[in-house]
Amino acid sequence: GAGVSQSPSNKVTEKGKDVELRCDPISGHTALYWYRQSLGQGLEFLIYFQGNSAPDKSGLPSDRFSAERTGGSVSTLTIQRTQQEDSAVYLCASSPIRHEQFFGPGTRLTVL
Amino acid sequence: TQLLEQSPQFLSIQEGENLTVYCNSSSVFSSLQWYRQEPGEGPVLLVTVVTGGEVKKLKRLTFQFGDARKDSSLHITAAQPGDTGLYLCAAYTNDYKLSFGAGTTVTVRA
Repeated sequence: GAGVSQSPSNKVTEKGKDVELRCDPISGHTALYWYRQSLGQGLEFLIYFQGNSAPDKSGLPSDRFSAERTGGSVSTLTIQRTQQEDSAVYLCASSPIRHEQFFGPGTRLTVL
Repeated sequence: TQLLEQSPQFLSIQEGENLTVYCNSSSVFSSLQWYRQEPGEGPVLLVTVVTGGEVKKLKRLTFQFGDARKDSSLHITAAQPGDTGLYLCAAYTNDYKLSFGAGTTVTVRA
């Protein structure tokens, strides 16, 4: 069956521009997560959705970062006024039950 | 400081050799997970260990959870080039938040 998909796979933008990253979770998964991964590093938790609500946004690095989820499905992570330190791979995961997260391939963001 | 400390950071070995990756913490966990990530892909769950002292085997991979549930190890026997990747340990700090170690990059040379 289809896994978690993310788009675009690569995004190059100029400093100061806004970007939107999209995540399509596995159908029926109620939980959705965003992570950030710097080069060769582990994953940093950003935000967790249960359905359309986000009970935990504690990992968002600044108020330039926001995310929404609609219809209990697709999620968008928006970064406003991008900075060079935002360059990283942004990973999305979805989960049907506790302790079973399935990851997408990620979006590699490069801010010039 | 990271909740989960992985060592070594990098490991390069010849095909056929054995290797061990360690994941340590000062915290006690109800379970611990190991993932493998290949370039351009997301992490894929390999195993979840839940009982102190537990040993799980997945073909040539052996995972062990420490008796005190604070640490874990991954041992690969007779490594093959297909084992190359970033190995990550992770643990839940609440019902939904996974905390990851920084990872061990394993390269197996043919």
